[in-house]
Amino acid sequence: DTGVSQDPRHKITKRGQNVTFRCDPISEHNRLYWYRQTLGQGPEFLTYFQNEAQLEKSRLLSDRFSAERPKGSFSTLEIQRTEQGDSAMYLCASRGGWRDWTTDTQYFGPGTRLTVL
Amino acid sequence: AQKITQTQPGMFVQEKEAVTLDCTYDTSDPSYGLFWYKQPSSGEMIFLIYQGSYDQQNATEGRYSLNFQKARKSANLVISASQLGDSAMYFCAMIQGGSEKLVFGKGMKLTVNP
Repeated sequence: DTGVSQDPRHKITKRGQNVTFRCDPISEHNRLYWYRQTLGQGPEFLTYFQNEAQLEKSRLLSDRFSAERPKGSFSTLEIQRTEQGDSAMYLCASRGGWRDWTTDTQYFGPGTRLTVL
Repeated sequence: AQKITQTQPGMFVQEKEAVTLDCTYDTSDPSYGLFWYKQPSSGEMIFLIYQGSYDQQNATEGRYSLNFQKARKSANLVISASQLGDSAMYFCAMIQGGSEKLVFGKGMKLTVNP
């Protein structure tokens, strides 16, 4: 089993630009999650997909943020008109959803580190 | 609202010693799960151990065990026989009821000295 992969690993952009991140979950995992982690903090939940349906969104996910999972496999997270406060690590996780949490937990990818200048 | 509190900013331990990392939680939902994740400097969150609110026994996974005290709302992680590779940030997290949203604490940094 390959793990969760994320691309790019690092992104530097100028304020006001749009950025898009990609997440490829573990094969056959039907649940996919996005989290944001700022320096010195734990990850904060952004949104969650079950297959292609976006079932839960955090208030943190402002109008400038949009996430998609069009075919129920990979997902993209787009940030429009980036601000310096968007600088963070963006983490993706996936889970099978068919077993209990002991053996079917959220497995995280390596993250995309965004720096907004 | 659910909340995770990790008050220890950092700990130092000698290699081969046991160490306890503290975590307290707050929730009004009787059904919840508690997790510990490790985050090395590479950044990836690595799942360590899970405890369900209805589990009668404390969870164990290799060198990791979770000291679950439900009445005190604490879920401390115990690492036996620390290794140099255990040096990392450690996060306690909770999931509540039917939600899929993990709520994390601020984490604490463990340094294992040779």
